[in-house]
Amino acid sequence: GENVEQHPSTLSVQEGDSAVIKCTYSDSASNYFPWYKQELGKRPQLIIDIRSNVGEKKDQRIAVTLNKTAKHFSLHITETQPEDSAVYFCAASLSGYSTLTFGKGTMLLVSP
Amino acid sequence: GAVVSQHPSRVICKSGTSVKIECRSLDFQATTMFWYRQFPKQSLMLMATSNEGSKATYEQGVEKDKFLINHASLTLSTLTVTSAHPEDSSFYICSAPNRAGATTEAFFGQGTRLTVV
Repeated sequence: GENVEQHPSTLSVQEGDSAVIKCTYSDSASNYFPWYKQELGKRPQLIIDIRSNVGEKKDQRIAVTLNKTAKHFSLHITETQPEDSAVYFCAASLSGYSTLTFGKGTMLLVSP
Repeated sequence: GAVVSQHPSRVICKSGTSVKIECRSLDFQATTMFWYRQFPKQSLMLMATSNEGSKATYEQGVEKDKFLINHASLTLSTLTVTSAHPEDSSFYICSAPNRAGATTEAFFGQGTRLTVV
């Protein structure tokens, strides 16, 4: 089955800096890669996703890149703000309807 | 808009009792519901996949007789933790995919914090 590795497990940055979280996946058939933000005790919230037919997607301060050959994808957050502090999970699946396999998560702490 | 509503959000129960968690899809039909468990500071681990009108598929290591899943309608799936023990204390969360046009998004319930005392 699919295996998703996520790094780093914790990331501390100063407000205004950029943050990058990286994930690798094992199943070359996976074609859908969402990123979720989860605040303590709450449900994961989809922040951005990318499908295997594109290499990059951007939404304001958030961008995701995908390298299908290397089987890795990354989340980039620019101009970080304290409210970006949360746990971020990457995931991979065969399609939006298939099981999502999650990475272990990255706790992002943005200090003012 | 499409939402998955999960109840209860928090429950405390005594060891040996059973707890039922409900997930309802609002404004869409959830033919599939994924059930996850999340221990503190850990990722979401898939427990089982339920499909409306058929038996759930459980992940390896998840006891189907302990975690009873029912998906009798297109808008309701339930997870019952039977004979709960303190080690079952966790955050349980459901998720249903919904196709909107060319895209499909996973909608998560609010989660249920189960504490077994």
